[in-house]
Amino acid sequence: SAVISQKPSRDICQRGTSLTIQCQVDSQVTMMFWYRQQPGQSLTLIATANQGSEATYESGFVIDKFPISRPNLTFSTLTVSNMSPEDSSIYLCSSHRRANTEAFFGQGTRLTVV
Amino acid sequence: GNSVTQMEGPVTLSEEAFLTINCTYTATGYPSLFWYVQYPGEGLQLLLKATKADDKGSNKGFEATYRKETTSFHLEKGSVQVSDSAVYFCALYRSDTGNQFYFGTGTSLTVIP
Repeated sequence: SAVISQKPSRDICQRGTSLTIQCQVDSQVTMMFWYRQQPGQSLTLIATANQGSEATYESGFVIDKFPISRPNLTFSTLTVSNMSPEDSSIYLCSSHRRANTEAFFGQGTRLTVV
Repeated sequence: GNSVTQMEGPVTLSEEAFLTINCTYTATGYPSLFWYVQYPGEGLQLLLKATKADDKGSNKGFEATYRKETTSFHLEKGSVQVSDSAVYFCALYRSDTGNQFYFGTGTSLTVIP
């Protein structure tokens, strides 16, 4: 299994500012992902964080708005840029090893933009 | 494409009642199927999984059987407890489409004493 530490657990931010969320995995993993969970809805994949290269973004998400870094196999960051109230959501980091299909999740970051 | 359709909630049950949460999927090939649980203020935790047709996943009294003929993976528990109150997500995984998980919309369960 893998333990994922995600921080901050919650934040209240002013519109127009940016927030960086950190995700630390306790062991080396192949795949790391970032999801958004809007109130009362399911998880939507934002992007796959690739180690040493640019993240792969899903339709509707762009690098300028959600820059992602993954400098090594155990750490990734997601930045929510130029925030608006519509960005209020829970952001979840996830990881799994290619050979083991189980996905592990951080506890999430609850973001409120005012 | 790949998708998961999940029974809408919220669901409210009395303690010791029988639980069923329906989940059907659309996918080509043979995806792996999962149920995840999210307790208040926490991230998702794996509840159970099944990787091939007719497999039954089970954990903590919950069960789900991978039914390829009906493309379903319904979650059941014979006697729910207050501590089972949470949001439950059905998901499928395809290793040949970007190693991505596809989640249902989630079903909120509240168990009252």
